[in-house]
Order: sequence, then C-alpha cells, then structure tokens
Amino acid sequence: NAGVTQTPKFQVLKTGQSMTLQCAQDMNHNSMYWYRQDPGMGLRLIYYSASEGTTDKGEVPNGYNVSRLNKREFSLRLESAAPSQTSVYFCASSGNMYQETQYFGPGTRLLVL
Amino acid sequence: QKEVEQNSGPLSVPEGAIASLNCTYSDRGSQSFFWYRQYSGKSPELIMFIYSNGDKEDGRFTAQLNKASQYVSLLIRDSQPSDSATYLCAAPSGSARQLTFGSGTQLTVLP
Repeated sequence: NAGVTQTPKFQVLKTGQSMTLQCAQDMNHNSMYWYRQDPGMGLRLIYYSASEGTTDKGEVPNGYNVSRLNKREFSLRLESAAPSQTSVYFCASSGNMYQETQYFGPGTRLLVL
Repeated sequence: QKEVEQNSGPLSVPEGAIASLNCTYSDRGSQSFFWYRQYSGKSPELIMFIYSNGDKEDGRFTAQLNKASQYVSLLIRDSQPSDSATYLCAAPSGSARQLTFGSGTQLTVLP
C-alpha cells in the first residue's frame, strides 16, 4: 500500500516549457487535490477533484490544468512554465471532500528558470 | 482577512516544556479542524483532527476547539527535539468545503 505517489520528485524547466506532474493513490479515495507550497505562504489549493469525472478550480488555478484520468490518477499540467511557478507541488487525496483527512504525496520540487 | 490564520513564529521551547500553537478561522460554518505536522523537506502528515468544542487528547498532543471564539489550538506536552517541525492548521471553507490551510507555525524544541 503506497498511499499517494507523485512523479517526478524534482524537475527543472526553462520558461515556456510544458510538463505534467503525475499523482496516483491506492486508497480508493474519491477526492484528490493539487497544492503548491511557497515559503511563508502555506499550502494553496490549485485544483481539486471531488470525485472521478469532476474537477474544479481552487485558490490559485491560473497557469495550470488538471485531468482526473480515473479514480486513482490526477495529473497537473503546466502548459507554459513561468518562474512564478517555481514551488513545491503536493498531491493529496481523501475519502471525500467533507470533513475527511487528506493524505499527502511526497511532493515535486519544480524550478523554472 | 485570511480564512485560517496562525502565528508564523518561529516558536522555540526547551525540551520537556509545553508548546502551544494557535489558530483562528473566519468561517463560522467550519465543523472540523485539522492539525498537520511537516518536517523540513517532507510532506504534511496528520496529527489530530477535532470536531467538537472542548479538548481532544492523543498521547502528548491535545487539540482545543472553541467555536464561539473561532479558535483552535494544539498543545504539545513534554516537547521533544523530534517535535521540531512546522505545524499547519486547516479548516474547511468555501462553497465546496475544501480545506484551507494556515501558513504554519515553525516550532523548534531546544535540547
């Protein structure tokens, strides 16, 4: 039981390049989330998927797109990376959206030059 | 006003002391509250959650909730150097009740 896994662990991009961050969970959870964490800013929600087949914007969605591929997998895409997107990205999952503990993946450190 | 606010610290306490971490929230509709611990370079992990007014104890950790004052706290008794981490408070907010996190309080326990 791996919990929440993320790939890659670390990535360096040049401005304007694109990439997809992958996330998978094996806990049969309905809800999945993407956060970014910057120093002093805490965790900010980018997008979430309350259940398979649905996605919604969070607090900071600009510059990102997501795909809920199936119940297990939730990907985050940067179409044209910008230095402001340098951050640590965490994927999380929970049983459902309401009053449920979220379990986090190990994170992806992204540096955009 | 941020929906979930924490003192950013840093907070330093000597080993064996009680560490007190505080959090306030603005959404009166919030029913559940979560405390996560995050070691440097690692992902957040849940320490405790609390739904009801009053205290909830789990080992050396006690969460306290006061809904009238919109205040939730975490007490760590007999603090150990291994407790040194950033502690994040979270509460559901918004129309979809997604979790909103505070910016975290960095705790250092000095040997």
